[in-house]
Amino acid sequence: EPEVTQTPSHQVTQMGQEVILRCVPISNHLYFYWYRQILGQKVEFLVSFYNNEISEKSEIFDDQFSVERPDGSNFTLKIRSTKLEDSAMYFCASGTGTATEAFFGQGTRLTVV
Amino acid sequence: QKEVEQDPGPLSVPEGAIVSLNCTYSNSAFQYFMWYRQYSRKGPELLMYTYSSGNKEDGRFTAQVDKSSKYISLFIRDSQPSDSATYLCAMQKTGTASKLTFGTGTRLQVTL
Repeated sequence: EPEVTQTPSHQVTQMGQEVILRCVPISNHLYFYWYRQILGQKVEFLVSFYNNEISEKSEIFDDQFSVERPDGSNFTLKIRSTKLEDSAMYFCASGTGTATEAFFGQGTRLTVV
Repeated sequence: QKEVEQDPGPLSVPEGAIVSLNCTYSNSAFQYFMWYRQYSRKGPELLMYTYSSGNKEDGRFTAQVDKSSKYISLFIRDSQPSDSATYLCAMQKTGTASKLTFGTGTRLQVTL
């Protein structure tokens, strides 16, 4: 069964460092998303991406965040200068664009120290 | 008032029980309603979705939406220990890939 794949599963980084979280969406999907979940809190929307551009972003997704689809298979989230409060599980999701389909990856646990 | 409210639990039930999980919401713009299951340290897994008011059944799971009351439910019949997980409700305003707004999740424990 096709699935969304995320790497790495766990990333530890020092405050102020840049991190790149990687995702391989399901191959025939056109819409891509990043969500995050701070420990003990709800899953929160960060950004959606379609046709090589951001289609929607939340207020969390400020200038320190960026997304890219560098080739036909990968979808990345870059955090330029990490803060302690960026520590969370980051989930990539992909879908065909209908309301019924948003398939999530297993997540990358980011720990900023 | 939060857009989506969900009792965090935990909810503990014996094996075989019927489980009722609920969410309320405040924004009448929500049109699509989903239930996700999340095991510890894993990604959310889509269980069911419904559009507008009504019921939808899939095996042991029934999703119910009452838009007039802004209230959605997920029923699990004949609950199993493998159903032990956190159940997240999620909502969407439009159908074309718009963002999901999640509840906080209800942690369910099904005991032997």
